[in-house]
Amino acid sequence: QKEVEQDPGPLSVPEGAIVSLNCTYSNSAFQYFMWYRQYSRKGPELLMYTYSSGNKEDGRFTAQVDKSSKYISLFIRDSQPSDSATYLCAMNTNAGKSTFGDGTTLTVKP
Amino acid sequence: GAVVSQHPSRVICKSGTSVKIECRSLDFQATTMFWYRQFPKQSLMLMATSNEGSKATYEQGVEKDKFLINHASLTLSTLTVTSAHPEDSSFYICSASPGAWGDNEQFFGPGTRLTVL
Repeated sequence: QKEVEQDPGPLSVPEGAIVSLNCTYSNSAFQYFMWYRQYSRKGPELLMYTYSSGNKEDGRFTAQVDKSSKYISLFIRDSQPSDSATYLCAMNTNAGKSTFGDGTTLTVKP
Repeated sequence: GAVVSQHPSRVICKSGTSVKIECRSLDFQATTMFWYRQFPKQSLMLMATSNEGSKATYEQGVEKDKFLINHASLTLSTLTVTSAHPEDSSFYICSASPGAWGDNEQFFGPGTRLTVL
């Protein structure tokens, strides 16, 4: 069993929709939770970085961490075609090495 | 924001040659740098972790004599693929972390696409 499981997708939504991307994990030592966006043939770009449980909002993006359920989510409001990409969740213990999900490919159709 | 560059962005080489990829943190000091490879439509596979001034720590199954990593300064790490073969063709991505206690953010470079003929 993988330490991090990510909803596989692909996901296709109309422009303006609310998108929910999700990951579950098994290692209770994970303390730091990240979401990355990766466009085709590019390196991942850090979108959200959260520590421990709670919500964090940045513009149209909201990251949610529920440590009791070992579940994290990324919500994208008012999705745009430019949001079309692969989204990777990642999480760290204090050791600094990230464990990544396999990614969810999102397509936002105009 | 934190910027990480990689050079070259794309390289094509003949089988048996060695290829060096540079990873630089442009506006911060990177205590730790990571090297990943990524196959099409797959996630990132961590190859090794390097700390400035010390030997890299390789993940299980990664040949350290084939993938030489040098983290010579707080802003530069290099990955050398020695005696490259077609199966080494992949997308290689580095990331850098400021590494301060509690700060586990990684900032990724744009990646290097290696094609071995």
